[in-house]
Amino acid sequence: RKEVEQDPGPFNVPEGATVAFNCTYSNSASQSFFWYRQDCRKEPKLLMSVYSSGNEDGRFTAQLNRASQYISLLIRDSKLSDSATYLCVVILTGGGNKLTFGTGTQLKVEL
Amino acid sequence: GAVVSQHPSRVICKSGTSVKIECRSLDFQATTMFWYRQFPKKSLMLMATSNEGSKATYEQGVEKDKFLINHASLTLSTLTVTSAHPEDSSFYICSASSSGRQSYEQYFGPGTRLTVT
Repeated sequence: RKEVEQDPGPFNVPEGATVAFNCTYSNSASQSFFWYRQDCRKEPKLLMSVYSSGNEDGRFTAQLNRASQYISLLIRDSKLSDSATYLCVVILTGGGNKLTFGTGTQLKVEL
Repeated sequence: GAVVSQHPSRVICKSGTSVKIECRSLDFQATTMFWYRQFPKKSLMLMATSNEGSKATYEQGVEKDKFLINHASLTLSTLTVTSAHPEDSSFYICSASSSGRQSYEQYFGPGTRLTVT
């Protein structure tokens, strides 16, 4: 079983739609969680951290369910510029700052 | 945010040759640098972690004699792919972090696309 699993997509949505991505992680010792964004042939960039209480940054909302080992990202009012691959990333307890990446979920926002 | 550069951005080489990729932190001192490899439609896979002035720690399955890593200064790490073969063709990305910042914050370079013919 992969350490971090995501639906690869692609998710094709119209501009203005709300879209949600899910991610599951296998190691219950995971301590820190993030969503990164990666554009085609570019490096990943940190989108937001994910906190137990849930957190929001503009149109983006991230939630963590430790009991189910599940992380989600919700994007409201999708823009064309949101088209990218969204990577779920975890850090294991005692793993220092070693990031474990999921394979990513591809989002395509269309007119 | 912090800036990390990589050079070259793209390289094509013949099978059997060696290729060196540089990773530089331009505006901060990187106590730790990470090297990742990403195959098409796959996740980033950590290859090794290097701390300035010490030997790199390689992930399981990564050959240290094939992927030579040097982290000689707080702003430069290099990855040398020795005797490259077509299966080494991939996107190589470095990242850097600093003890003065949040431990989880890694700043990624733009990546190097290696094609071995």
